[in-house]
Amino acid sequence: DAGVIQSPRHEVTEMGQEVTLRCKPISGHDYLFWYRQTMMRGLELLIYFNNNVPIDDSGMPEDRFSAKMPNASFSTLKIQPSEPRDSAVYFCASSLFSGSGITYEQYFGPGTRLTVT
Amino acid sequence: GDSVTQMEGPVTLSEEAFLTINCTYTATGYPSLFWYVQYPGEGLQLLLKATKADDKGSNKGFEATYRKETTSFHLEKGSVQVSDSAVYFCALSGGFKTIFGAGTRLFVKA
Repeated sequence: DAGVIQSPRHEVTEMGQEVTLRCKPISGHDYLFWYRQTMMRGLELLIYFNNNVPIDDSGMPEDRFSAKMPNASFSTLKIQPSEPRDSAVYFCASSLFSGSGITYEQYFGPGTRLTVT
Repeated sequence: GDSVTQMEGPVTLSEEAFLTINCTYTATGYPSLFWYVQYPGEGLQLLLKATKADDKGSNKGFEATYRKETTSFHLEKGSVQVSDSAVYFCALSGGFKTIFGAGTRLFVKA
C-alpha cells in the first residue's frame, strides 16, 4: 500500500488567498483525521471523519477553515482566506477502528508545509 | 478529560547511551498506549503500542511497559544510535481519537 498521500508537500501563498490541502487515506480505513503542527502549539486535532461523515470539528480554529470528505478515498482541508498565523505543517492520518474496543494505530501522511506570507 | 504528559526536551545523548523518556497519562477507562516517532520532514509513525495493563510494547530496540498503578508508559532503549535522533510522542487512545503528548526531541551525538 502507498500509505496516506498528501498534496501538495509544500505550499507558499499570500495572505487572503484560498488554500486547499488534499489527502488520500489508506484504502479500507474508516477514520480520517486532520492535524496541524506548530512549534508553539504542538500537534492539534482539527477534525475527524468516520465513513466520510464529519464527527468532531471542535478543533477547527475558525470559520475560515473547512473540511470535506466526498468519498472514502479523498478529503480536503480548505482555508479561505488564509492568514500568516495559519503557517504550519498540516497532517492527514487514517485508521481502522475494529469495533472491538481496541483502537488501531493512526497512519500519518508526510504532511503539507504551508507558509502564508 | 484524558491527557498525556511527557518529559520536556531536548534530550541530548551520546551514541550507545541509555535512553529513558518519561510519559504519564490521565484517562478514564482502559486506554491503549502508544509511542510514535517523527523523523525530520516526515509524519508520525507508530513505534510501539500496548493495549492493556502490564503489556510491554517493543520495536527496534525500544520498549515501554503499560503501568496502570503508576499511570505511566516510559520509553526506554539500551543503546541509542545517531539514527534515533527524532521527536518522540507518547499517546493514548480510549476510543476514536488519539491524545498526543507534546513530544520530546532526542539528539544523539556520534
